[in-house]
This record gives sequence, C-alpha cells and structure tokens, in this order.
Amino acid sequence: AQSVTQLGSHVSVSEGALVLLRCNYSSSVPPYLFWYVQYPNQGLQLLLKYTTGATLVKGINGFEAEFKKSETSFHLTKPSAHMSVAAEYFCAVTLGSTLTFGKGTMLLVSP
Amino acid sequence: NAGVTQTPKFRVLKTGQSMTLLCAQDMNHEYMYWYRQDPGMGLRLIHYSVGEGTTAKGEVPDGYNVSRLKKQNFLLGLESAAPSQTSVYFCASSYAGQPQHFGDGTRLSIL
Repeated sequence: AQSVTQLGSHVSVSEGALVLLRCNYSSSVPPYLFWYVQYPNQGLQLLLKYTTGATLVKGINGFEAEFKKSETSFHLTKPSAHMSVAAEYFCAVTLGSTLTFGKGTMLLVSP
Repeated sequence: NAGVTQTPKFRVLKTGQSMTLLCAQDMNHEYMYWYRQDPGMGLRLIHYSVGEGTTAKGEVPDGYNVSRLKKQNFLLGLESAAPSQTSVYFCASSYAGQPQHFGDGTRLSIL
C-alpha cells in the first residue's frame, strides 16, 4: 500500500518569494508521483508528474519537483511566487490504476 | 473538446432521498473514477472502473453504487442520502490509469 504526507495544511509566502511545498510518500516500490493544483470552485489540474528517468521534473507555470528516493520525497518548488498561483496543491502517488492523494496544502500569497 | 463533464453542478437533497450523479468524458478513456472531497481530507476514492461494464470499490464505497454501461459515462448513485454524504464529488478519467483528468465537481448538500 502507498500513502502520501503533505507537510503543512497552509503555507504563506510573499509575492516574489520562493515557494516550497513538501510531499513525502510511503511505498514498497518506486511509485509514480504527481502534483495537482485546484483553484476555487474548480477541479484538479495536473501540474507535473514523475514516472521514470530524470528526477527533476518541470511542470506548468514555472513549477518543478525533484524525486529523491533516499528521502522518499517529491517537494514542489517555484522560484518566485505570484498572486496567480494562490490555490490548493495536492501531491499524489500511484502504483497502478488508482491514485492516493495527500490532504492538500493551501498556498497563500501576500502582496 | 469538453473533457470531463459532471451533471448536476449543485444539488440539495433531504435525508433519505436518492439521486444519481452523471459523469461523461469525450476522450475515449478506459478508466473512470469517483472521488469525494471534504475539508482537510484531500480526495478519497469512492469507486472506479477500468473499462465498460466493470466497477471496483475504492477507499470509501459505503452508501454509494456505480454503473459503467457505456464507455463514456460513469454514474454514481446514492440510494438513501445521509448528511455524512454532504461533500464535493469529483469525477476523473484516464487512458491507462494516469494522469487523471478531472471534472469541475458536483456540490451536494444533504439536509
């Protein structure tokens, strides 16, 4: 069985600051990993995914994440925050046909 | 290209009433999923289907039934609604398990 832990239900940053959202997973074998973003009153949109190969994955809107097997982590980063990225972010893991989601991290961006 | 469409978008029910939520996808995806989203809980899988005519239980299946009579449609039924089923319901589809494409959700309140 696999599980996902997102550290921090809320993260606050100032505009222009680094965004770091933490995700740790538990899995008996190397999983596929995903980050999704949810804007208010919308469904989830895929930001980026790690399957195999390069451990640094680039996604949309300047986000990237690095798969670190030794730390069982898949943290999401963005060099410079903008008001437009304020949303809820979900990390997810899969070993097959179903996804297991973390509880989500709400990113708040202040001017 | 509509992607994943959920009907209805909002609904208020009384305890004990029944209803069906409809999910339709136009991407010819084999896999379809129903989730519920509750504050602080992330997304939890209710039921899923890996092809027309198949269904399987997810993490929280009790009180729900599903049917996949056509490849493009996945129905979620509540036979006797309970206040604990007040939630936002999301449907998703995928070609081979991941990544998943989400609808915009159905907000269901049960009084």
